[in-house]
Amino acid sequence: GQNIDQPTEMTATEGAIVQINCTYQTSGFNGLFWYQQHAGEAPTFLSYNVLDGLEEKGRFSSFLSRSKGYSYLLLKELQMKDSASYLCARGDAGNMLTFGGGTRLMVKP
Amino acid sequence: GAGVSQSPSNKVTEKGKDVELRCDPISGHTALYWYRQSLGQGLEFLIYFQGNSAPDKSGLPSDRFSAERTGGSVSTLTIQRTQQEDSAVYLCASSSVPTDTQYFGPGTRLTVL
Repeated sequence: GQNIDQPTEMTATEGAIVQINCTYQTSGFNGLFWYQQHAGEAPTFLSYNVLDGLEEKGRFSSFLSRSKGYSYLLLKELQMKDSASYLCARGDAGNMLTFGGGTRLMVKP
Repeated sequence: GAGVSQSPSNKVTEKGKDVELRCDPISGHTALYWYRQSLGQGLEFLIYFQGNSAPDKSGLPSDRFSAERTGGSVSTLTIQRTQQEDSAVYLCASSSVPTDTQYFGPGTRLTVL
């Protein structure tokens, strides 16, 4: 199967750090994407990992372990505007993306 | 240049009617994708176009769904004899090459009464 598993909801405090985990089936893997989606809006691209390790981009970082079928998105110095759904998506050999159900992050003051 | 655009932004229709949803990809992007997002659910792949190749229709949920892409640019997703379970946001995405990042349009919110 192509199961993508990520927590349904998370809550964190403004200024804190939060890590959103994602696990996926490894066969036919062609990259791991993270998207951010605010309510009622289209997903926007955050990061792409195809090699093992950590990719840092400002307050957001994404990590990948291909052997473990595991990724996480790390958000630092949380801001209220970071409240959104974060979608983990696995690139498949057929070039389409298989999405997890998304993690709804609520940032509280 | 401009991002992916979709029209209409909202569509309300009656059960049994046909609907057409339009997607204009980013200029020069050869790959185009349609996804569906039901309320509170993740994105579900529907169909993928790459250049002049035959589309990958493996995600279409039934034969009531079809899509075409004219001239390698604009795409139309058609749903015939709509059902209430077709109510969802239909998202289009494009990428410069198939393995590149997909950029999403704003979506069409379809409501079938």
